[in-house]
Amino acid sequence: DAKTTQPPSMDCAEGRAANLPCNHSTISGNEYVYWYRQIHSQGPQYIIHGLKNNETNEMASLIITEDRKSSTLILPHATLRDTAVYYCIVRSLLSNFGNEKLTFGTGTRLTIIP
Amino acid sequence: GAVVSQHPSWVICKSGTSVKIECRSLDFQATTMFWYRQFPKQSLMLMATSNEGSKATYEQGVEKDKFLINHASLTLSTLTVTSAHPEDSSFYICSARQTGVRVPSHFGPGTRLLVL
Repeated sequence: DAKTTQPPSMDCAEGRAANLPCNHSTISGNEYVYWYRQIHSQGPQYIIHGLKNNETNEMASLIITEDRKSSTLILPHATLRDTAVYYCIVRSLLSNFGNEKLTFGTGTRLTIIP
Repeated sequence: GAVVSQHPSWVICKSGTSVKIECRSLDFQATTMFWYRQFPKQSLMLMATSNEGSKATYEQGVEKDKFLINHASLTLSTLTVTSAHPEDSSFYICSARQTGVRVPSHFGPGTRLLVL
């Protein structure tokens, strides 16, 4: 699986959009970009994933560059409850019965400031 | 949505005893579940892959005789920490993905183990 690089920490004001970058310059054509977050002392929570098109769900938007070497997770209106460690993970194409091992890096510690 | 539960949420035990942690997929079947361990201020580290009806696959450096994994049904995997020692104190997290459907994994809430 391709390696990802994320800034170790970021701050964002409450109510503003939080933009979390991720570099994955060695990503291959069949690899998806996943985002999870981990709030203190809880298990990771799935946020969103994508292959090459931008994706949006009720939690966030995922913007993937045209060359797919980087992506940005956007939390449109950050709240205090969004304070967490955010992990960007690159993983090969899901199969129906695949063994989806996820390799976690160090992530970005996002702090929402009141 | 997909829910994964773990029991207990926390446990304190004496050194030398064994502790069993359960991971359940509540509303879907999972032929494969994963066990992770997380030490304070560190990221999650995969310990093993739990396969329903067959032996677990352990990551390099993880002792299979110390961390016993049983995946007896499509909704339950158990991790038993045998002869626990203080250095086994950690946050243990499982994940599961619905079999036969292309959806991402979901994680349990974690079990905090403290060995005295």
